[in-house]
Amino acid sequence: EPEVTQTPSHQVTQMGQEVILRCVPISNHLYFYWYRQILGQKVEFLVSFYNNEISEKSEIFDDQFSVERPDGSNFTLKIRSTKLEDSAMYFCASSDPGGYQPQHFGDGTRLSIL
Amino acid sequence: AQRVTQPEKLLSVFKGAPVELKCNYSYSGSPELFWYVQYSRQRLQLLLRHISRESIKGFTADLNKGETSFHLKKPFAQEEDSAMYYCAPHNNNDMRFGAGTRLTVKP
Repeated sequence: EPEVTQTPSHQVTQMGQEVILRCVPISNHLYFYWYRQILGQKVEFLVSFYNNEISEKSEIFDDQFSVERPDGSNFTLKIRSTKLEDSAMYFCASSDPGGYQPQHFGDGTRLSIL
Repeated sequence: AQRVTQPEKLLSVFKGAPVELKCNYSYSGSPELFWYVQYSRQRLQLLLRHISRESIKGFTADLNKGETSFHLKKPFAQEEDSAMYYCAPHNNNDMRFGAGTRLTVKP
C-alpha cells in the first residue's frame, strides 16, 4: 500500500537556523498538509496546499513558515530563523481530491531546536 | 472559531468492557467528521469517518448534530485497542484535531 514518506526522521538544528522538512506524498494525491505536535500537546493544523498554492493556513503558520512543491513528488516545509518553541513533531499528510477525503499521514519528523 | 473538544485525556477500561470516547465540536458550516487513531510507534491513521457509516474494528461513531457530538463507541474493548484517538472535523481543506484521548485497555 502506498505511503507518505518524510525525511529526515529526526532533525537537530541550532536556534536561528533555517530548516527544511521534506515529504513525499502518495503519488496520485492532490491535497497536501502539514501538522505540528509539540510534545505532550495535540496535533495542530498548519497549512493545506492544492494546485500549487496554499488553500488554508492556521494562525500558527506565519511568515516564518513556507511550503513548496519543488517538483512532481516532493512537498516541503521551510522554517526560517528557528526558535526553541519550534521544537515539535511535524507530520505531513496527503489526500485524494474530491472533498473531505481522509488524510494519509507520514511517520513525522522530530525537530529539535537547540 | 473552530473548536474540537475531547474531554477525557486518559481513559482506562478492562478488556471486554464497553468504551466511549467523547468528542464535541463547534464548527462553521457542515464539517465531515473523522476519527483517527495512533497505535504505539505507528503513524496516525484513519479509523472511521461519519459519511461511510462503517464499523471499523468494532468501533462506531454517531453524529448528533443537535449536540454537535461525534462520540466513538465499542461494546467490547480489546487490549489491541489501546492507542491515542483523535476526533477530527474536516471543513474544506482545514482539519482540526481534538486534544486526543489515550485509551488503555487492561487485561
